[in-house]
Amino acid sequence: DGGITQSPKYLFRKEGQNVTLSCEQNLNHDAMYWYRQDPGQGLRLIYYSQIVNDFQKGDIAEGYSVSREKKESFPLTVTSAQKNPTAFYLCASSMPSGEAFFGQGTRLTVV
Amino acid sequence: AQKITQTQPGMFVQEKEAVTLDCTYDTSDPSYGLFWYKQPSSGEMIFLIYQGSYDQQNATEGRYSLNFQKARKSANLVISASQLGDSAMYFCAMREGFQAGTALIFGKGTTLSVSS
Repeated sequence: DGGITQSPKYLFRKEGQNVTLSCEQNLNHDAMYWYRQDPGQGLRLIYYSQIVNDFQKGDIAEGYSVSREKKESFPLTVTSAQKNPTAFYLCASSMPSGEAFFGQGTRLTVV
Repeated sequence: AQKITQTQPGMFVQEKEAVTLDCTYDTSDPSYGLFWYKQPSSGEMIFLIYQGSYDQQNATEGRYSLNFQKARKSANLVISASQLGDSAMYFCAMREGFQAGTALIFGKGTTLSVSS
C-alpha cells in the first residue's frame, strides 16, 4: 500500500542527546515536510524539501537538522540545541500543488 | 501576521445538526489552495476537502462543503448532519502558489465535540 511511514511511534530522549526520527514514503512525491505540533496547537513547519539534496528551513528550524539523500526518505534529527523538544512530530509529502499526505506521527518526550 | 486564522478554539454540536468551522486567510498571491484536515485523538491527519483560488464553485465532498468567499478571504468548512465520529480537531491550511513543494501553512485548529 502507498503511504508514509514514520518511526518510531514513541521516542524518549535524555537531556543532551541527539535523536533521529524516520520518515519514508512510497508515493513518489517530490516534496516532503516536517511539522511540529504542541498540545492544543496547530502544526508549525520545521523543514521542507522540494527535491533530493535540497531543503529549506521552516518557521522553527533552530535545533533541528534534516537530510534528503533519497526521494523516499526525509529523516529529522532533533539535536541537543533544541531546548524544548517534547512534542508530536508529523511528516508529510505531496505532489506540487496537491494535498499533503501525513504519516502517523512520532511522539517525542524528554526524560 | 498570521496567515491562517481559526477563531473558534472549540465548537459543540448535537448529532444530525450542521456546523460551520471558521477560517480566514491572508495572502497577496493570486494563486493559492485552501485545505481542511481532520485530526482525531489518534493523531493522524485526514484530508477532507480542497478549494483552489480560481475555482468558481464551492468544493463539496460528501457531508463536507467549503464556503469560499474570496473577497472576504474566508474558507469556512460546513459539516452537514454531524455524527459522533466527527468529534476531532479540524485544521484549515493554505498553500501559496502552485509551484512545486511550497509548504502548507496551518491554523491553530478548532476542536469539534459532537454529542448525542
